[in-house]
Amino acid sequence: DTGVSQDPRHKITKRGQNVTFRCDPISEHNRLYWYRQTLGQGPEFLTYFQNEAQLEKSRLLSDRFSAERPKGSFSTLEIQRTEQGDSAMYLCASSYPGGGGQETQYFGPGTRLLVL
Amino acid sequence: SQELEQSPQSLIVQEGKNLTINCTSSKTLYGLYWYKQKYGEGLIFLMMLQKGGEEKSHEKITAKLDEKKQQSSLHITASQPSHAGIYLCGAHTGANSKLTFGKGITLSVRP
Repeated sequence: DTGVSQDPRHKITKRGQNVTFRCDPISEHNRLYWYRQTLGQGPEFLTYFQNEAQLEKSRLLSDRFSAERPKGSFSTLEIQRTEQGDSAMYLCASSYPGGGGQETQYFGPGTRLLVL
Repeated sequence: SQELEQSPQSLIVQEGKNLTINCTSSKTLYGLYWYKQKYGEGLIFLMMLQKGGEEKSHEKITAKLDEKKQQSSLHITASQPSHAGIYLCGAHTGANSKLTFGKGITLSVRP
């Protein structure tokens, strides 16, 4: 078990550019989550997948954001026409729903985005 | 929507001292997760509490869930510099599987 991995770890881009982040979940986990965290705040939910189906999207996820999980394994999060307000840490987590409502989400190291 | 309030906002303790931090929910808690985060890194899972009155321990960290008070506490015994970091509590919002988090508590441990 290698844990959740994310790539890249850091990304600096200019305003208006598109960026794409990748998340590889723990192999047997069928649920995958994306969160965004800004300085001094806890992570905020963006979206999640069960297998390849995107089941919920936050209103934080504007039209410029799109996430995919085409084969139910890795996921990508794309931000189009980046804005300075998109600067944040983007965290990915995965889980496997157990019985009794237990579902621990395991997080990756995050991708830190800076939009200049 | 559910809100999680964490207190204190930050804490500085001398190595070897005990400490307690809290997480209070605005709504009924059906389960609560504690994570630790080093600055600029991902969240490390510590413990999950599901039932009222439940208490779990791992090494020198003990977490409790008080369902009536809608509150969880995390206690560290004989703190060490390795305990320093940001402690975040998270909870499911109703039947949804997504987690809502508090703002976190920054713990510093002075050698």
